[in-house]
Amino acid sequence: KQEVTQIPAALSVPEGENLVLNCSFTDSAIYNLQWFRQDPGKGLTSLLLIQSSQREQTSGRLNASLDKSSGRSTLYIAASQPGDSATYLCAVNLSVGAAGNKLTFGGGTRVLVKP
Amino acid sequence: NAGVTQTPKFQVLKTGQSMTLQCAQDMNHNSMYWYRQDPGMGLRLIYYSASEGTTDKGEVPNGYNVSRLNKREFSLRLESAAPSQTSVYFCASNWASYNEQFFGPGTRLTVL
Repeated sequence: KQEVTQIPAALSVPEGENLVLNCSFTDSAIYNLQWFRQDPGKGLTSLLLIQSSQREQTSGRLNASLDKSSGRSTLYIAASQPGDSATYLCAVNLSVGAAGNKLTFGGGTRVLVKP
Repeated sequence: NAGVTQTPKFQVLKTGQSMTLQCAQDMNHNSMYWYRQDPGMGLRLIYYSASEGTTDKGEVPNGYNVSRLNKREFSLRLESAAPSQTSVYFCASNWASYNEQFFGPGTRLTVL
């Protein structure tokens, strides 16, 4: 069974510092991996989708890397701002048949960026 | 585009009552999903519909039923609510499996 882990569970940084968020998964047979942001009491907002054939994906200040062989993905957020404070979730999509419809989520990393 | 919408936003039920959570998307997506989010358990898939006319169980389907009413709408029904079903429920959709999923704002359900 695929397990997805995000460590640390919480992170606090001063404004301007770069954020590094980690995601690890146990089954390397993934089709893709998606990073989400969730604000308190809100739904999930998709940030980046990285395919298994890709090593990284970028959008603005966000960069996600993927190393399938080691079962790891990292989300980098450059020059953090207080508005980046939120919970960040990663989710993997397995590549096996109907299981490809099912995202397995990590527990999330709660980020606080202090002004 | 409204994206994925869910109604109601909040609901309080008594044990044994029934209710239906509604979800609609206006992105012409083929696949739709229902998740629940619980502290310490993360997000778990309840049911999904890969395309109009099909539904399949996810990780935690017990106590729930779903209906894919048409391409736009996917409802989740609790026939006899239990306190263990107190949770935040999210609907999501994508164009097809393996594509980026888009989530609704959620329904906070409390069962007393």
